[in-house]
Amino acid sequence: DVKVTQSSRYLVKRTGEKVFLECVQDMDHENMFWYRQDPGLGLRLIYFSYDVKMKEKGDIPEGYSVSREKKERFSLILESASTNQTSMYLCASRRLGHPTYEQYFGPGTRLTVT
Amino acid sequence: AQTVTQSQPEMSVQEAETVTLSCTYDTSESDYYLFWYKQPPSRQMILVIRQEAYKQQNATENRFSVNFQKAAKSFSLKISDSQLGDAAMYFCAYRSAARGSNYKLTFGKGTLLTVNP
Repeated sequence: DVKVTQSSRYLVKRTGEKVFLECVQDMDHENMFWYRQDPGLGLRLIYFSYDVKMKEKGDIPEGYSVSREKKERFSLILESASTNQTSMYLCASRRLGHPTYEQYFGPGTRLTVT
Repeated sequence: AQTVTQSQPEMSVQEAETVTLSCTYDTSESDYYLFWYKQPPSRQMILVIRQEAYKQQNATENRFSVNFQKAAKSFSLKISDSQLGDAAMYFCAYRSAARGSNYKLTFGKGTLLTVNP
């Protein structure tokens, strides 16, 4: 079974802090994604990575950056956390190949910025 | 840009009965892929079913089936013989088949399904 893990289930940070959210997958997937999930808004793509050291902005990249130095790990960075970044963050990975290959999701990190 | 609309924020069904979740999408493309994902409470999101737009036959996976109406741009999910474990948030998602689509999924806002015993 594919396993996608995220470093924390719950995280509380202060405004202005630099925040790192870590995601690790164990199936050698090329593609990795970071989404933000908010009630009534569904999932919105923040960033994704085709492969190691490759990244591309999604729909809402402002205030975020990412890092992918190793294939199995994709980090989301909030350079200076703000209260409007309080949300559920979901990581996903996917094998490169047929377009119907599914995305496998992690359990999510619920981030609260105070 | 493509959009995905789930018009039912919440639905409920009695155990063992059938429920249909609606999804419509807007696209100018002729080739694309559609998905239904399930997110149980406090658990990871998983794929329920997928449909390729060039296939006329509706996809089925055990108790889950879709009604894909390409002309109407509609992709509803039918759950038969509903079980308590089906209670979850369900998301409809669209993926373009165009080159350079960046493997991106566009999600709807979700439908929260409650299953009553």
